[in-house]
Amino acid sequence: AQSVTQPDIHITVSEGASLELRCNYSYGATPYLFWYVQSPGQGLQLLLKYFSGDTLVQGIKGFEAEFKRSQSSFNLRKPSVHWSDAAEYFCAVGTPIQGAQKLVFGQGTRLTINP
Amino acid sequence: DAGITQSPRHKVTETGTPVTLRCHQTENHRYMYWYRQDPGHGLRLIHYSYGVKDTDKGEVSDGYSVSRSKTEDFLLTLESATSSQTSVYFCAISNWRQGSYGYTFGSGTRLTVV
Repeated sequence: AQSVTQPDIHITVSEGASLELRCNYSYGATPYLFWYVQSPGQGLQLLLKYFSGDTLVQGIKGFEAEFKRSQSSFNLRKPSVHWSDAAEYFCAVGTPIQGAQKLVFGQGTRLTINP
Repeated sequence: DAGITQSPRHKVTETGTPVTLRCHQTENHRYMYWYRQDPGHGLRLIHYSYGVKDTDKGEVSDGYSVSRSKTEDFLLTLESATSSQTSVYFCAISNWRQGSYGYTFGSGTRLTVV
C-alpha cells in the first residue's frame, strides 16, 4: 500500500535560517507528490506539487522541493525562514482512483520559528 | 477556500447520536472527499465520491456513511457517534483533468463527541 513518512514530528529553527523538511514515500509507479501547509485552526494550502519533468519544483512563499526517485524522497526546502512560516507541513502522495487520485498524507511536521 | 463550504464549523454531540456534516461546492468539480485529521496521523481518507451517487470507501470508513445526490453536496454521516470520532473533518474537491490536478480543501469541521 502507498504510504508517506515524515520522520520529523517537530522542528525548531531560527528566523533567517535555512529549512529542510523530509518526506519519504512508498509507491510503485511514478508518484504524484504534494506539500501542503496548515496554519493553526486553518485548512490546508498547497505549497507545491510534482507530477513529472524537472525534479526541482518551485512553489509559493519561497519554498521548493526536490524529487529523488532513487531515495523515494520529496524534501521541502526554504533558504531563509520567516516567523510567518510557523505552521504544520504535510507531504502527500496521490494514488489512483476512478480516473483521478486520492491523497495519502504523512503524519505532518510542526515547524516552530525562534526569533 | 472560495468555492467550498463546510457546515457546521463546530459541533458538540453526545455518544450514540447520529451526526451529519455537509460539504458544499460551487466549482462543479467531479470528485469530492472526506478526510479526518488527528494528531500524529495526518489526514486520513474516510470516503470519496467520483460522481453523483458514486461513492467509495477510504482507509477509515467504519462508522461513517456518505451520500451525494447532486454535484454540489457531499454529506458525511456518523451513524452513531463515538468518542473515537472526535476529530477535525475536512472536505476536499478536485477536478483532476489535464492541466488542473489540484485539490481544494474546506476550512474544516471540529466535532466533539462527549
